[in-house]
Amino acid sequence: AQSVTQLGSHVSVSEGALVLLRCNYSSSVPPYLFWYVQYPNQGLQLLLKYTTGATLVKGINGFEAEFKKSETSFHLTKPSAHMSDAAEYFCAVRDNTGNQFYFGTGTSLTVIP
Amino acid sequence: DADVTQTPRNRITKTGKRIMLECSQTKGHDRMYWYRQDPGLGLRLIYYSFDVKDINKGEISDGYSVSRQAQAKFSLSLESAIPNQTALYFCATSRDRGSETQYFGPGTRLLVL
Repeated sequence: AQSVTQLGSHVSVSEGALVLLRCNYSSSVPPYLFWYVQYPNQGLQLLLKYTTGATLVKGINGFEAEFKKSETSFHLTKPSAHMSDAAEYFCAVRDNTGNQFYFGTGTSLTVIP
Repeated sequence: DADVTQTPRNRITKTGKRIMLECSQTKGHDRMYWYRQDPGLGLRLIYYSFDVKDINKGEISDGYSVSRQAQAKFSLSLESAIPNQTALYFCATSRDRGSETQYFGPGTRLLVL
């Protein structure tokens, strides 16, 4: 079965600093991987996804993530944090049947002015 | 107008009461999902449906039931609510098996006293 581990339930960065949110997955087959963002009092919104092809994927709002098979990782980065990036971020993997998605426990990002 | 809507957005109920949460979508998607979100636990799948006649249990279906009244509507029921069902509930949709992306509603915050 697939599973997702997000290291760090809370991450704080200064405005303008690098954002790095960590995600490791377990999957017996090549995974489909996702990052979603949840702003306060809203549903989840897709940031980016990896399915096949290029391992560095770019998403909305300047975020990107790199699929590293050897490390079973899919870490999310942004070169320069903005106050509007403060939110909860979830990493997810789709199972090999294509029927279910498994989410990590989430990382709350705080951006300090 | 939002593509995925949930009603009610907030609900307080008492232990033992039956309660129904409703989800409607205008995206024309076949697949619909119900998740619950708890602090520190992320999102966990309760039920999912691939069409009106296809309902499947997710990771945590005990104490819940669902009804897919039409392609656009998917309801979640708590037959006899208990306090540990207090959570944030999300409905989501996806187009079909080949679609990687889920689209989430705004969530229903449920408090069981």
